[in-house]
Amino acid sequence: LAKTTQPVSMDSYEGQEVNITCSHNNIATNDYITWYQQFPSQGPRFIIQGYKTKVTNEVASLFIPADRKSSTLSLPRVSLSDTAVYYCLVGEPNTNAGKSTFGDGTTLTVKP
Amino acid sequence: NAGVTQTPKFRVLKTGQSMTLLCAQDMNHEYMYWYRQDPGMGLRLIHYSVGEGTTAKGEVPDGYNVSRLKKQNFLLGLESAAPSQTSVYFCASSPGLAGFLTYEQYFGPGTRLTVT
Repeated sequence: LAKTTQPVSMDSYEGQEVNITCSHNNIATNDYITWYQQFPSQGPRFIIQGYKTKVTNEVASLFIPADRKSSTLSLPRVSLSDTAVYYCLVGEPNTNAGKSTFGDGTTLTVKP
Repeated sequence: NAGVTQTPKFRVLKTGQSMTLLCAQDMNHEYMYWYRQDPGMGLRLIHYSVGEGTTAKGEVPDGYNVSRLKKQNFLLGLESAAPSQTSVYFCASSPGLAGFLTYEQYFGPGTRLTVT
């Protein structure tokens, strides 16, 4: 399973765009990149998933360069409620039961 | 739909006691997982299942057993609890092959277990 590296923590202010980068140098050909968000005392919640280039949904964008050795989660105009831990996972969805390693995540703190 | 539910929400055990954590999902998902999360750390996979009647070991399986007798339920057992098993336990499920290329795991609210 591919190992991922993320910053331990980041600070931002309300209304700013936040970019969290994840490094996954040994990503395999069939691996997808998935991001989860976790609030205190809750289970993680799926944010976005992608394979290459750019994926966008109603809450975030995911940018993946051509070599796929890193990825960037972009949160537009964050609010206080976006304060959470963000996890980057790399794995193949439909083999090995989609197993991936969560890592320790990035703690994002949004300030007023 | 209730999604993924976990029972109990909290539990305190003495060293050496046993207990079973129950996870139930009503989304007809094929895959189910048990994770543990220690303070300030990410989730670590304990065991998982790719279908009814099947189980497999994850990263940290020692001291735990699991069973998946019904597709909607995944049980995690601690035969002889130890203080090192004090943690928050999360159950999750995902569609598996039926979900095409989605890798979305749906998580339960967690069980906070303290072993004294």
